[in-house]
Amino acid sequence: DVKVTQSSRYLVKRTGEKVFLECVQDMDHENMFWYRQDPGLGLRLIYFSYDVKMKEKGDIPEGYSVSREKKERFSLILESASTNQTSMYLCASSSGGGNIQYFGAGTRLSVL
Amino acid sequence: KQEVTQIPAALSVPEGENLVLNCSFTDSAIYNLQWFRQDPGKGLTSLLLIQSSQREQTSGRLNASLDKSSGRSTLYIAASQPGDSATYLCAVKSTGTASKLTFGTGTRLQVTL
Repeated sequence: DVKVTQSSRYLVKRTGEKVFLECVQDMDHENMFWYRQDPGLGLRLIYFSYDVKMKEKGDIPEGYSVSREKKERFSLILESASTNQTSMYLCASSSGGGNIQYFGAGTRLSVL
Repeated sequence: KQEVTQIPAALSVPEGENLVLNCSFTDSAIYNLQWFRQDPGKGLTSLLLIQSSQREQTSGRLNASLDKSSGRSTLYIAASQPGDSATYLCAVKSTGTASKLTFGTGTRLQVTL
């Protein structure tokens, strides 16, 4: 079974802090994704990566950056957390193009 | 820009009923469409993936259909059970968009005893 693991289920941070969200997958997938999910807005793509050290902006990249130094790990970075970044963050991975995306359990981030 | 809509936003049915969830999309140039299930506070689980060349896919009590020309997909759940209670999301991969998916906002299903 594919496993996508997000390092934290719940996180509370203060405004202005630098925040790291980590995601690890164990299926040697090329593609990895970061989404945020907000009530009434659905899932929105922040960034994705189709190879090590490669990244592409999604629909809402502002205020975020990513890092993919190893194939299995994709990190989302909030350089200076703000209250409007309070959300559920979901990581996913897939092989090739257009294949099934497998999701982690999510990290619920609260920025106070 | 692709837009995906799911109506209704919420649905409550008694156990045992057959039901249909709807998904519509604005751009018919799609590569595939996926249906996901999400339990409260959890991640998404893929249920079915339909390629653009297919009309339907089945898995157990679930059957998903795709009509590209009309921009619609349906997820049929037979003999619903309380364990089916969850939010169901559809997501479209449009052609020429690498691996990006566009998600609907979901239908929250409650199956009552």
